Amino acid sequence: KAGVTQTPRYLIKTRGQQVTLSCSPISGHRSVSWYQQTPGQGLQFLFEYFSETQRNKGNFPGRFSGRQFSNSRSEMNVSTLELGDSALYLCASSLDPGLEGNFGPGTRLTVL
Amino acid sequence: GESVGLHLPTLSVQEGDNSIINCAYSNSASDYFIWYKQESGKGPQFIIDIRSNMDKRQGQRVTVLLNKTVKHLSLQIAATQPGDSAVYFCAENRGGGGSNYKLTFGKGTLLTVNP
Repeated sequence: KAGVTQTPRYLIKTRGQQVTLSCSPISGHRSVSWYQQTPGQGLQFLFEYFSETQRNKGNFPGRFSGRQFSNSRSEMNVSTLELGDSALYLCASSLDPGLEGNFGPGTRLTVL
Repeated sequence: GESVGLHLPTLSVQEGDNSIINCAYSNSASDYFIWYKQESGKGPQFIIDIRSNMDKRQGQRVTVLLNKTVKHLSLQIAATQPGDSAVYFCAENRGGGGSNYKLTFGKGTLLTVNP
């Protein structure tokens, strides 16, 4: 069974731009969560989707948004990028909310 | 404030020894805990989980202990191998599970296994 895939793996943007990251969950998994990982703050929860609905959201500004499609694939968008948005963005999928997440390899975003 | 923290940021052990990684949590309402292993350049990998109605759970070479009285979680790795070298995170579900799933991670402990 294929694991969680994330695209792109690496991305370089400049301040003020926007970016869209994609996550394809494990086949059959309906819950997708997003996390931001930085050396200073560690792993921080961004949001969680289930059946195309955002069910939970972390403490991030409105520049961070996401969505989930009917096939459970998910995207997250960051608008008006700031230097501090440089991070590894991780996606995790699970069969249902409340179960352990299977993480993808992440997208490394660098904002210059 | 509420947090999931780790007692030791780094741990160095000899190959073959047992390793113990500790984690403290502050929300007594948390009902689900997970240990993850993250190797360089990879996403976190699930190791083992435990629900709050249990005190101990064993996997292959790993054991998780949960002490709800002092809000403490530990991961024990038996016969540590060089391939166990990684950052280990504990994660806490503060949302009560189910429809309010929201994992909160500790800062991580770097485990280094010396041959």
